[in-house]
Amino acid sequence: DTEVTQTPKHLVMGMTNKKSLKCEQHMGHRAMYWYKQKAKKPPELMFVYSYEKLSINESVPSRFSPECPNSSLLNLHLHALQPEDSALYLCASSQGGALYNEQFFGPGTRLTVL
Amino acid sequence: SQKIEQNSEALNIQEGKTATLTCNYTNYSPAYLQWYRQDPGRGPVFLLLIRENEKEKRKERLKVTFDTTLKQSLFHITASQPADSATYLCALGVQTGANNLFFGTGTRLTVIP
Repeated sequence: DTEVTQTPKHLVMGMTNKKSLKCEQHMGHRAMYWYKQKAKKPPELMFVYSYEKLSINESVPSRFSPECPNSSLLNLHLHALQPEDSALYLCASSQGGALYNEQFFGPGTRLTVL
Repeated sequence: SQKIEQNSEALNIQEGKTATLTCNYTNYSPAYLQWYRQDPGRGPVFLLLIRENEKEKRKERLKVTFDTTLKQSLFHITASQPADSATYLCALGVQTGANNLFFGTGTRLTVIP
């Protein structure tokens, strides 16, 4: 299985809602990532988990809260988002512990904040 | 400031010709460089990786070069096909304790039949 799955595919939420994005991979990868991608822009790294530990937090606002329950799952908890947070949220994974590895991306969750 | 720029936002090319995409970077010291393809509404898909000590890599109709002196990578698609139409992203791998990728601005390639 060489697939990264993400749910939901689409999400519409109000600024006062709490929601979660989910990501799953069964490739035995030990590094997982969250990216944010605005229209016609490149993906921007938000969080990196390496061996289930948060190793990078690229100054993301606290209204985004990542969680890595186990080596196959990655969540992104959303609370009190702003309309400018509307974007495609991509999850990716790669083999942990080695530098020269490709990242496998999921199809993304299209988030709209009203 | 750090920048990763791809030569043009959009590139149109006739079917059968070679498409050449450029990736230039400033104020980075990448350990490697990757190229990805992204179709609308989908996640990027890995194509090729080249390390800082390599000059050229090939895979089927794809070729990538990496010049750390010029701080530039070229990505070539030979015998281009309409199915090659997509956005192509270069990504720099920086050794900062984790496998971090920083993406370029992307080039939207359209291959005209």
